[in-house]
Amino acid sequence: SQQGEEDPQALSIQEGENATMNCSYKTSINNLQWYRQNSGRGLVHLILIRSNEREKHSGRLRVTLDTSKKSSSLLITASRAADTASYFCATDMDSNYQLIWGAGTKLIIKP
Amino acid sequence: GAGVSQSPSNKVTEKGKDVELRCDPISGHTALYWYRQSLGQGLEFLIYFQGNSAPDKSGLPSDRFSAERTGGSVSTLTIQRTQQEDSAVYLCASSFTGTGSYEQYFGPGTRLTVT
Repeated sequence: SQQGEEDPQALSIQEGENATMNCSYKTSINNLQWYRQNSGRGLVHLILIRSNEREKHSGRLRVTLDTSKKSSSLLITASRAADTASYFCATDMDSNYQLIWGAGTKLIIKP
Repeated sequence: GAGVSQSPSNKVTEKGKDVELRCDPISGHTALYWYRQSLGQGLEFLIYFQGNSAPDKSGLPSDRFSAERTGGSVSTLTIQRTQQEDSAVYLCASSFTGTGSYEQYFGPGTRLTVT
């Protein structure tokens, strides 16, 4: 079953603009992770946010988590061509080792 | 240090043949995962290893799929009597422990094409 669902499915923006992607999930979680996948570097972990955290930053990335709405957002500021990739959220379910993945948001940064 | 490696990177096989995919996890990672990803889709969980044991095989699509892990390290995923619907990228990941509190490190994947 699909726990995380990303929105939008695809996003195309100009280089330098900000990109926002959303993830919704269905059950309670301990942690939510965001990953990036591109042809050059494969699938790479970006950031992990715990259920008791509301916001987290890493470089140009900002992740928020709203457990009451069961949703998370990933903001990439000052986008670059190298940010072109698919972005996935992955959630664990309470007391579970397994990560459940969404279908991803395909982000295209136009030069 | 070395990341997760997988071999082969590409495999083309005829329908009905058996294939074996290999994963070398990061040294010291006790948890190992196999996923399948079809074109433009998310990741489909196949199996999880904690050490050499596989407490969850629920994601394996059929009894043609099997996996083992030896010495708490290398893992092989075997697909018997391959079918065209088995065509996908098979990804292996390892993690420090088997909880969602730790990031998973992914290999480059094996692209399997069944003709």
